[in-house]
Amino acid sequence: QVQLVESGGGVVQPGGSLRLSCGASGFIFKDYSMHWVRQAPGKGLEWVAFISYDGSDKEYVDSVKGRFIISRDNSKNTLNLQMNSLRREDTAVYYCAKDTSYRGSYHDFDQWGQGTLVTVSS
Amino acid sequence: DIQLTQSPSSLSASVGDRVTLTCQASQYINNYLNWYQQRPGKAPRLLIFDASNLESGAPSRFSGSGSATDFTLTIGSLQSEDFATYYCQQYHQLPLTFGGGTTVEI
Repeated sequence: QVQLVESGGGVVQPGGSLRLSCGASGFIFKDYSMHWVRQAPGKGLEWVAFISYDGSDKEYVDSVKGRFIISRDNSKNTLNLQMNSLRREDTAVYYCAKDTSYRGSYHDFDQWGQGTLVTVSS
Repeated sequence: DIQLTQSPSSLSASVGDRVTLTCQASQYINNYLNWYQQRPGKAPRLLIFDASNLESGAPSRFSGSGSATDFTLTIGSLQSEDFATYYCQQYHQLPLTFGGGTTVEI
């Protein structure tokens, strides 16, 4: 079955950096778009970033543009999120999510990881 | 950005009740709307895609309807495992956005 396992979360000071990873299995990773979605404590869901199946297209929510970089390694079935210049408002559980779109763009999130907590605090 | 407004923000219901949740988009989104369920401490789960299509494995008591700007999620007969928060999400344009959620409580 499909599995998405995030790692790399933790506590970081404002202005610091963190790199999240998501290991995928149970499906042909290189054929599907992927996303990062976050959820601040006690709040709703917020889409963060998208990457197309081949990595050629990347999109971000405005609040992270210029600070976060999404990438993927299709040879290792891994999705990454490099987070720089972190702010307190980036504190959240970060989920990686698979899109149903086969070699296409974005549509919906049909599989989710368990999430990894990022806390930005001094 | 397209804003999605969900109502009510919370509701109380009993097992066996029929429950209807609404999601209104700030502009036309055709049927580019999905619904998710999130139980406490868990990752979200896709229930409905393209406004009215039941995701594989989702119980048939869930149904979705609507188009353009107004959408509904209906739970035909509420079960104990349905007490959760429900989110709508649009993919008509970037940024992808979610509604604020509706919490269904006992």
